[in-house]
Amino acid sequence: QVQLQESGPGLVKPSQTLSLTCTVSGGSISSGGYYWSWIRQHPGKGLEWIGYIYYSGSTYYNPSLKSRVTISVDTSKNQFSLKLSSVTAADTAVYYCARGKDYDILTGYYIPPRAFDIWGQGTMVTVSS
Amino acid sequence: EIVLTQSPGTLSLSPGERATLSCRASQSVSSSYLAWYQQKPGQAPRLLIYGASSRATGIPDRFSGSGSGTDFTLTISRLEPEDFAVYYCQQYGSSPLYAFGQGTKLEIK
Repeated sequence: QVQLQESGPGLVKPSQTLSLTCTVSGGSISSGGYYWSWIRQHPGKGLEWIGYIYYSGSTYYNPSLKSRVTISVDTSKNQFSLKLSSVTAADTAVYYCARGKDYDILTGYYIPPRAFDIWGQGTMVTVSS
Repeated sequence: EIVLTQSPGTLSLSPGERATLSCRASQSVSSSYLAWYQQKPGQAPRLLIYGASSRATGIPDRFSGSGSGTDFTLTISRLEPEDFAVYYCQQYGSSPLYAFGQGTKLEIK
């Protein structure tokens, strides 16, 4: 049973960089063709996809956050990470990591998923001085 | 940028009743790329439906999805007490690559 667990500081000062890690247990981050995403939820609001990474290191980010986001993977630790720079109060949210995959039968390749089948429990990050 | 609008914002029903939740997209979405999630307070979202109508692993058959183009529906045939939660639709493929609706809160009447 694969599980995801977010970790990192719960409080970040404005203008600093938010850094979170998602640890994958019960399975390898490198196998199975999964894409690993970060998604956030502002307090009392809906969900916003931040970006994903494949185990190979290829990434894709939400254009609205692209200039401030870096997602990386450490296969040796079975973890992937999020860095969000120049944070403001608007970045206060619960941050989730999630996984998903899809398979293109025509090409035989794994492709970005249509949906996210497993999520971490989420971690609240507050941006405040 | 695609926008998903869910209605109603809040739906008040009793256990045993049928729930119909709507998700309307600002541009056409491939039915293969529409998903639904359930979120309870303090929990992460749980995948219910993908590909507009396919149930995720372990999801009871009282949950069903339908629709195409810009209009999609999540139906819960007979509400159980554990079904009262917030439901989100999500699309894949437009810009941004993944977008979520604002949610429908299903509350006990």
